[in-house]
Amino acid sequence: DSGVTQTPKHLITATGQRVTLRCSPRSGDLSVYWYQQSLDQGLQFLIQYYNGEERAKGNILERFSAQQFPDLHSELNLSSLELGDSALYFCASSAGTSGNEQFFGPGTRLTVL
Amino acid sequence: DQQVKQNSPSLSVQEGRISILNCDYTNSMFDYFLWYKKYPAEGPTFLISISSIKDKNEDGRFTVFLNKSAKHLSLHIVPSQPGDSAVYFCAASAMWDYGGSQGNLIFGKGTKLSVKP
Repeated sequence: DSGVTQTPKHLITATGQRVTLRCSPRSGDLSVYWYQQSLDQGLQFLIQYYNGEERAKGNILERFSAQQFPDLHSELNLSSLELGDSALYFCASSAGTSGNEQFFGPGTRLTVL
Repeated sequence: DQQVKQNSPSLSVQEGRISILNCDYTNSMFDYFLWYKKYPAEGPTFLISISSIKDKNEDGRFTVFLNKSAKHLSLHIVPSQPGDSAVYFCAASAMWDYGGSQGNLIFGKGTKLSVKP
């Protein structure tokens, strides 16, 4: 158990819809990262927040957004969903701002029909 | 453009033998490298890491070797056990900004290791 929790575990929705994925970091960790893993792909970095502020952006679509709240949990919002958005979405956390030794949650499997 | 490459999608090894997983990278700014292990239906788990100032780091049965001139690293598992069967991801990061992703991890696509009893 990494100490990072993600909800929901599974999510099935239709094209055009909007969903919110939630992540709670390990106790004491200030950084939260979001990754997308599509079929046969490695983990693609989407976005990082540190102590409530956006820290870095990766390959995140404009239809996607995220935020980190004062209690340090984070939400990833995916809108105008397309079939190609079906993937595993992982959240990770770390103590500092660098990406070293991130601790991953179990992931949310999103299926867009 | 993949900056971190794991060219072997799968590897099969006999229990008790050595498993060698390879990883190549293209960005010379990377200065920290990590290996993660992932079981089905779970998130990746940190396994071992190495800084670019070293060429070897060992932790029990796991050893990571770094060859900076070749931009290559490898993970050795000795002896391999059936419980090691998982997908192994190589990841790299750079402490200095290179396009707005400072310190973030760039992952390879993974190698699926099967250790047969």
